[in-house]
Amino acid sequence: ETGVTQSPTHLIKTRGQQVTLRCSSQSGHNTVSWYQQALGQGPQFIFQYYREEENGRGNFPPRFSGLQFPNYSSELNVNALELDDSALYLCASSRGQDLSDTQYFGPGTRLTVL
Amino acid sequence: SQQGEEDPQALSIQEGENATMNCSYKTSINNLQWYRQNSGRGLVHLILIRSNEREKHSGRLRVTLDTSKKSSSLLITASRAADTASYFCATDDTGGGNKLTFGTGTQLKVEL
Repeated sequence: ETGVTQSPTHLIKTRGQQVTLRCSSQSGHNTVSWYQQALGQGPQFIFQYYREEENGRGNFPPRFSGLQFPNYSSELNVNALELDDSALYLCASSRGQDLSDTQYFGPGTRLTVL
Repeated sequence: SQQGEEDPQALSIQEGENATMNCSYKTSINNLQWYRQNSGRGLVHLILIRSNEREKHSGRLRVTLDTSKKSSSLLITASRAADTASYFCATDDTGGGNKLTFGTGTQLKVEL
């Protein structure tokens, strides 16, 4: 098991609502990346935070936003939820922004949008 | 969008047999990594191979990389039931902006 934790484990929301997902990074890690994994697909990169600043963003609309806190934990916020936002949301922490540093993934939050 | 494809999509073998999975990608890369995912949960990093490497070993895992063909393979030798999982390749693309780009995955089932 990695030292990365995510909460909640499961979440059910309805269209139009807003959701906040949380990630606690492994001790000593200053970089957190968020991924969306639809059923039967590989994870897709949402964005990365490095030392509290957004440090790269994938092809996701602005209603996907995030924060990283001084303790390097992170939040993913999604506004105006759509049915297609139903997915497993994964966060990964690493020692730095270099992608040759091992990414340690949390267990994920499964979001269902009805 | 996905970087590329893994082949096969699904693989079923008997315990003790070897399992080979292939990954193709589309762009120039800095490195390629393989991950395992059990039952739709978090991913576990298995091995990283850099673009200037051709082969790498870690325990029962052997990874090859052919940058001219933009492809990689993962070989698991002497498979065990505990190896049952989905396996994904992920690339760190040159100029890719601090992200890993994952393939579509291979579902491996190892039967007793």
